[in-house]
Parts: sequence; C-alpha cells; structure tokens
Amino acid sequence: SQTIHQWPATLVQPVGSPLSLECTVEGTSNPNLYWYRQAAGRGLQLLFYSVGIGQISSEVPQNLSASRPQDRQFILSSKKLLLSDSGFYLCAWSVSLTNEKLFFGSGTQLSVL
Amino acid sequence: DQQVKQNSPSLSVQEGRISILNCDYTNSMFDYFLWYKKYPAEGPTFLISISSIKDKNEDGRFTVFLNKSAKHLSLHIVPSQPGDSAVYFCAASAWSDMRFGAGTRLTVKP
Repeated sequence: SQTIHQWPATLVQPVGSPLSLECTVEGTSNPNLYWYRQAAGRGLQLLFYSVGIGQISSEVPQNLSASRPQDRQFILSSKKLLLSDSGFYLCAWSVSLTNEKLFFGSGTQLSVL
Repeated sequence: DQQVKQNSPSLSVQEGRISILNCDYTNSMFDYFLWYKKYPAEGPTFLISISSIKDKNEDGRFTVFLNKSAKHLSLHIVPSQPGDSAVYFCAASAWSDMRFGAGTRLTVKP
C-alpha cells in the first residue's frame, strides 16, 4: 500500500532562518506531488506541484521554493523565512493531475517568530 | 480569490441527528467535487466525491448533493456519531486546478 511521510511535525524557526521540509512517498511510482499551506482560518492553498523529477510548477510567487530530486521525494525550502510563512504545510500525492483525490501527509506546523 | 466557500466555520449537532455541511463555488468550470475530513495534527483524508454529471453520491452514512445551477454542494452525515467530529473541507476541481474551502468544524455531541 502507498504511504506518505512528512517531517518534522512541528517546527519553530526565527525570522530570516532557512527552511527545509521533506516529503517522501512509498508504494507508488511517478506520483504527482504537491505542497499546500493552510494559514489560520483559511483553506488549503496550493503552493507547488510536480509531475516528475525536476519538474516544478509554482502556483503562488513567494518566499518559498520546491525541488524534486528523486521520483518520490519532494522538498519545500526557503532561504530566509518571513513571519508570514507561518502556517500548516501539507505534502500530498495523487495518481493523476486531473480530477483525482489527493493523499495527504500528516503536516508540519511551522511557527516563524 | 475564494472560488470555494464554506460559510459556516463551525457546526454542532447531537449524536444520531443529521449533519449538513454546505459549500458554494463560483467557477462554473469546476466539474469534480470532493470532501475531505481532517482530525487535529493530521493531514486531511478523502471522504467522498461527486462528478458534475451527477447530483447525488452516497457512501454509507455520507451523501454528497450537487446543485449545479446554484453552484452549491452539501455533505449529509446520517446518523452523526461523536467520531465524526473533525474539520471538513470542501474541494472543487477543474482539470488540474483543485481549490479548497476554509473548512467547517463539526462537533457531534453525545
């Protein structure tokens, strides 16, 4: 069966520090991978998605970047965190890009202080 | 822009009664709709979906209704159980564009 791992579960970082969140998927090949963010009181906002190794599409221009160095690995990064980067970050995967349910990781609660 | 809206941030119902969660959307290109359930400190999990060619889809205690003319969908849970207490997200999809609502926190009281 397929599983998705996301870590860390919680993270407290000072403003201006770097960020690296990692996500890996097991039990499937060539998944579509996503990074979402949920700010307080808001819906899930799509940040990045990837259809293959090295292929990244950005939905929201901002302080973050994503990379996919391996088929089942997706990394969310920032060189310098801002206060507004605080939120709940979710990694997800799907079989196809179109009209397909997403399978989410357990999330990372990021607090930038 | 909020293309998918869940106007009720919270809902409280008694165990055994019906829970009705509502969702409105603005983009007429959406053709696939989903509901996800989220417990604290966990990622959302898929609950039920409906294609725009249907107006109802049922799975056990969960039924989703779609009213395309009103751009409205709803999730009915009957009977509600305390374990259903969670945040429910509505999502709408057009091709690869999936948008989520802000969620409704459902509390089912014993």
